[in-house]
Amino acid sequence: DQQVKQNSPSLSVQEGRISILNCDYTNSMFDYFLWYKKYPAEGPTFLISISSIKDKNEDGRFTVFLNKSAKHLSLHIVPSQPGDSAVYFCAATEYNFNKFYFGSGTKLNVKP
Amino acid sequence: DVKVTQSSRYLVKRTGEKVFLECVQDMDHENMFWYRQDPGLGLRLIYFSYDVKMKEKGDIPEGYSVSREKKERFSLILESASTNQTSMYLCASSLVSSGSYNEQFFGPGTRLTVL
Repeated sequence: DQQVKQNSPSLSVQEGRISILNCDYTNSMFDYFLWYKKYPAEGPTFLISISSIKDKNEDGRFTVFLNKSAKHLSLHIVPSQPGDSAVYFCAATEYNFNKFYFGSGTKLNVKP
Repeated sequence: DVKVTQSSRYLVKRTGEKVFLECVQDMDHENMFWYRQDPGLGLRLIYFSYDVKMKEKGDIPEGYSVSREKKERFSLILESASTNQTSMYLCASSLVSSGSYNEQFFGPGTRLTVL
């Protein structure tokens, strides 16, 4: 059973608008969450992370929000750019634990 | 910059063949991982290794084995390839967690097709 879920396989957004990608998890032991971005024919690259002691982490146009009670996190991209078009994976892990659990990915298409 | 390289970008094999996928990292990372990526299923962990000659099964180890004879190299072996092993295979590496979290760095992937 998947412990990390991304229920939207795809998302289409106009350039300049906000993109919101969602992720849910079931394991309450998870306390560190990451977002990876993947272009076709390339490996995933790390984008942004958040620890469970925070509810928000910002890095430029990218912000990740964590709602521990709902076991939900989201990635906001503002403003969205065509170069952001990629597949986004969320991942979760536990402190001092080397294994990540990945969601199924959301394919973001930012239209010019 | 961490570099993780995989021996082939594209590979076509026949059913029943033995297949070797090689992965090399240049940052002295202790941990190495093999995933497969399939549409709708995301990244699923096949095996990982936290040290030379050490390995642990991931979520989908059936039909696969691994070898880690040197710290920088982690091989994935398909003993007898089958069509349901057609997939994108991704290798990753990371430092060992020691009171912190360590991101995984990925290679470019190998697109394997089994005919």
